[in-house]
Amino acid sequence: GAGVSQSPRYKVAKRGQDVALRCDPISGHVSLFWYQQALGQGPEFLTYFQNEAQLDKSGLPSDRFFAERPEGSVSTLKIQRTQQEDSAVYLCASSPPGGLNTIYFGEGSWLTVV
Amino acid sequence: SQQGEEDPQALSIQEGENATMNCSYKTSINNLQWYRQNSGRGLVHLILIRSNEREKHSGRLRVTLDTSKKSSSLLITASRAADTASYFCATDHNNNDMRFGAGTRLTVKP
Repeated sequence: GAGVSQSPRYKVAKRGQDVALRCDPISGHVSLFWYQQALGQGPEFLTYFQNEAQLDKSGLPSDRFFAERPEGSVSTLKIQRTQQEDSAVYLCASSPPGGLNTIYFGEGSWLTVV
Repeated sequence: SQQGEEDPQALSIQEGENATMNCSYKTSINNLQWYRQNSGRGLVHLILIRSNEREKHSGRLRVTLDTSKKSSSLLITASRAADTASYFCATDHNNNDMRFGAGTRLTVKP
């Protein structure tokens, strides 16, 4: 597709359940970002990939959060043993090579932990 | 942690009026960008201003940047009801990631 695609769009998980959120970046985009956005707040940086290399994971809130991008394209954000405070929108974004000019966001995956 | 802080948190105006939103940040930047987010949707890039630029225009949007004060403003002229959204500034520090503020929620009443 033309844009960043995320799936699932909506996910309801029971507390303690593991979830996996997928991101398909725009073809050819080298950089990929994950953000967490709580209701009424701005996006909070989670992690950043350049191709398959995870260059910055300083924003991951705990070791229950894990992200990968094994072939430098599709990325998966995994949250283990979900807790209620994990409820948020998880936004994926990508940007083309040549420096950070514009990053393109997906529509987000809305996670509700009950 | 978030880098930019938008001000005001919420703004309500009548259609046709101008809307001004401000953003302050803490550390030096390479560039600053403004994004828009409609309720329940992803963020859409509006405009980028580089650290060596002071003002930039795009249609009804005007962005200023004052690096000495570490602040930026976004002006939307002749607002429309369709401009109702949240607006975020984002700062780029090391070309690796963008840090966002909490946003300004703009409501334009028809």
